[in-house]
Amino acid sequence: AIQLTQSPSSLSASVGDRVTITCRASQGISSALAWYQQKPGKAPKLLIYDASSLESGVPSRFSGSGSGTDFTLTISSLQPEDFATYYCQQFNSYPLSTTFGGGTKVEIK
Amino acid sequence: EVQLVESGGGLVQPGGSLRLSCAASGFTFSSYWMSWVRQAPGKGLEWVANIKQDGSEKYYVDSVKGRFTISRDNAKNSLYLQMNSLRAEDTAVYYCARVGHYTPDFDYWGQGTLVTVSS
Repeated sequence: AIQLTQSPSSLSASVGDRVTITCRASQGISSALAWYQQKPGKAPKLLIYDASSLESGVPSRFSGSGSGTDFTLTISSLQPEDFATYYCQQFNSYPLSTTFGGGTKVEIK
Repeated sequence: EVQLVESGGGLVQPGGSLRLSCAASGFTFSSYWMSWVRQAPGKGLEWVANIKQDGSEKYYVDSVKGRFTISRDNAKNSLYLQMNSLRAEDTAVYYCARVGHYTPDFDYWGQGTLVTVSS
């Protein structure tokens, strides 16, 4: 099964900071990757699909890049509402399976 | 507006059974793959199962194969997860999720229902 490794597992940042989260796949997955944001007690929300396409309604400060095995989620200027946990998901082997990364918690510095 | 509303969670003893439901509205349910995803307390997300639009294909994570069954009733716009032989490690919030039409990400999620397996 394809494994996804996110780093860092947590980070502290200030409002206005540029934040980058990485997701590495154990084998090449082309651009079959999505990013989600989850706030405490809430369901995840889709931010990015196909590695770099912004989901409708998601602020443009969020962006995704990468292909193959290495991917990044960037928040260009962190806002108070962005403090949350972020997950990557690969769907290269969909529908047989799909997996999530371990998550990155973004906390207030 | 797309809505997914789960129900059926609760406390069950190890070895017991539970059936989760997900009521869908605001979209043509029969046109979409659907999934269940779970999240153990304080842990990350884990995909559990997928089902094709007409129910003809179903896939499961290895840890639930032979114990869980995903199904759907398109006439009732409903998704189900029958969970048997439950274990403590199945304790989690269970989310139903709609699979995207063009890329198989999860574009809409329900609010989740908590399943606790404990004696």
